[in-house]
Amino acid sequence: GAGVSQSPSNKVTEKGKDVELRCDPISGHTALYWYRQSLGQGLEFLIYFQGNSAPDKSGLPSDRFSAERTGGSVSTLTIQRTQQEDSAVYLCASSLPEGTGALTGELFFGEGSRLTVL
Amino acid sequence: AQRVTQPEKLLSVFKGAPVELKCNYSYSGSPELFWYVQYSRQRLQLLLRHISRESIKGFTADLNKGETSFHLKKPFAQEEDSAMYYCALSAYNNDMRFGAGTRLTVKP
Repeated sequence: GAGVSQSPSNKVTEKGKDVELRCDPISGHTALYWYRQSLGQGLEFLIYFQGNSAPDKSGLPSDRFSAERTGGSVSTLTIQRTQQEDSAVYLCASSLPEGTGALTGELFFGEGSRLTVL
Repeated sequence: AQRVTQPEKLLSVFKGAPVELKCNYSYSGSPELFWYVQYSRQRLQLLLRHISRESIKGFTADLNKGETSFHLKKPFAQEEDSAMYYCALSAYNNDMRFGAGTRLTVKP
C-alpha cells in the first residue's frame, strides 16, 4: 500500500480480554516500531524490529505485552488480560534501512489503533 | 539508552509572536535529532532533522551539544502551527525515541 496501515482503527474491549493490533508497514521498510500515545505520557516506545536482528523489547511495559513480526513484514502487537491503563492509541511506524540512499530518521506512521478498555 | 525531555506539555502564544519549543536529550553517542509534528486528525510526520540544517514552514532547530539541547524555533507563529510537537533522537541503529511532546496553541 501507499502508507503504513493499522487495524483495527478502534477497539473497545472488556478488562481481562486479550487484543491483537496489526501493522502493515510500507513495502521494503525493514525497520518497524510500535509506540503508545496517551494523554500525559506522550509517545512511549514499546518495541523496535530491524531486519533479522533481535527486536529491542525494552519498552514493553509488562509481560502482558508481546509483539512479533512475521516474514519481515506484518507485525502484531498482542496485549493479554487487558487493563484499563492499557487504554491508549497504539502507533506503528516503519522506515527504510540505513545505506539505501534514504535519509535516516524519517519514520512513516500509521493512523493508529485506539484501544479502550472498559 | 537515549532519553529525550520536553519540559513543556502545553505552550500557548499569540499569532505573530515568536515561539520556542524546548528539547533536551541525553545520549552517550553522537546523536541524530529530529522534530516530528502531528496536526489535528493527521498522522505524525517528520518536520525537520538536525543534519539537514533546514528551515521547514519557518521552523528551525539548532543542535547544541554543550547544552544537549535541540530547541525548535519560529520567529512569527501562525495559527496553522497549532499542533503536537515531538522531539526525537535516533541511536546508531535507528532506534528512535521520542519526548513526551508539547502541544502548541497559536491564538488569533
